[in-house]
Parts: sequence; C-alpha cells; structure tokens
Amino acid sequence: AQKVTQAQTEISVVEKEDVTLDCVYETRDTTYYLFWYKQPPSGELVFLIRRNSFDEQNEISGRYSWNFQKSTSSFNFTITASQVVDSAVYFCALGPPNDYKLSFGAGTTVTVRA
Amino acid sequence: NAGVTQTPKFRVLKTGQSMTLLCAQDMNHEYMYWYRQDPGMGLRLIHYSVGEGTTAKGEVPDGYNVSRLKKQNFLLGLESAAPSQTSVYFCASSYSTSGGHSSYNEQFFGPGTRLTVL
Repeated sequence: AQKVTQAQTEISVVEKEDVTLDCVYETRDTTYYLFWYKQPPSGELVFLIRRNSFDEQNEISGRYSWNFQKSTSSFNFTITASQVVDSAVYFCALGPPNDYKLSFGAGTTVTVRA
Repeated sequence: NAGVTQTPKFRVLKTGQSMTLLCAQDMNHEYMYWYRQDPGMGLRLIHYSVGEGTTAKGEVPDGYNVSRLKKQNFLLGLESAAPSQTSVYFCASSYSTSGGHSSYNEQFFGPGTRLTVL
C-alpha cells in the first residue's frame, strides 16, 4: 500500500524566514516517483518537482530545494527566504510503477506574514 | 493553450439531484483523472482514464460515474447527490511515455469545481 504523511498541518513564518516541509512516504516498490505540488489561494494545483527513486541527489531551484533521503523514506522541501507569495498549501505525492494513481499527503498550509 | 478547464466552477445541489462536471484539456494528453479534495485529506482519486473510451475506478469511486467519449473530455457524473459529496473536485491530465507509466509524468490540474450538496 502507498501512503504519504505530511505531519505538519500548518506552518506560519515571517517573511525572509526559511521553512521546511516534511514528507514521509511508505511503499513496497523499489521504483517510484515523488512529487511536490503547490496550491495557492486561487485553488489550482501547480507542479513543482518530480523525483525518481533512483536519484537521491538534492535539487535546488531558485529559493526552493528538495532533500530526498531514501534511507528514511523522506522527501522534504525547503523554501529559503520565504515571501508572501509562497503562502499556499503544499502537497507531497507518491507515484508507484505500473499504475496511474498518485497518492497525495494531506497537505501543509504555509502562511508567510509580511 | 487553455490547459485543463472545468465547468462549472461552483454548484449547489439538493440531495438526490444529479449533475455532470465537465473537464476539457487541449494538450492532447492520453490520461485524465478526477479527484476530490476534502479538508485534512489531500486529494483522493475518484476515477481515471488512460485513453478515449476507457475508464477505471480510483480510490473513492462510489456514487460517481465517468465517461471519456472524446480524448479531450472527461465527464464526472453524480446520479443522486449526497451531502457526503460536498467537496472540491479537480480534474487533471497527463501525457504518456513509452512503457505507459503515466505516474512518472506530472499531472496538470484544472481550477477545480466547488460543489455543495444540501
């Protein structure tokens, strides 16, 4: 069975602070993909990143960075120097092989205060 | 490109009424999905389609039906709405790659439909 846990329900920070979102997953598959999506107040989900299970290299994209650790089944997401526009709900998702379904975590609401 | 569009954006139904939600994509994607989003539960897959004329059940299919008569459209139907179906519904689509493992590709989401069943 696939399961994604985002233990942090809400995080509130002041602008320019760093914020890290935790994502822990469970799967019996050796091959799988992990995703992060952003849902701003407008409601539409926006794709941020995809990572396959064979690539544990950390990735940085501007102020966003991702730390994938297979040994702890975690795929954490850090926003550096947060901005008000980063306020959103962030979802972590797991995609198994030989299937078309994504399993989403419950989401973490990030509020960045000016 | 409009991407993924959904109609309507909002709808209020009475218990027992029926309705159809329409999803359209102009990206020529093979795969399409319907999710529902409820507070504290993330997104849960209702039904999905891997191509025109084919549909399959997802995680929470009960009370819903779907049809994919055209590649660009994916319809979600509620035959007899219940208050438990109050939710935000999202449609998504994704392209296929060799081997057909759609889960390897990111899904593109529509803006959502907020449905209230009284």
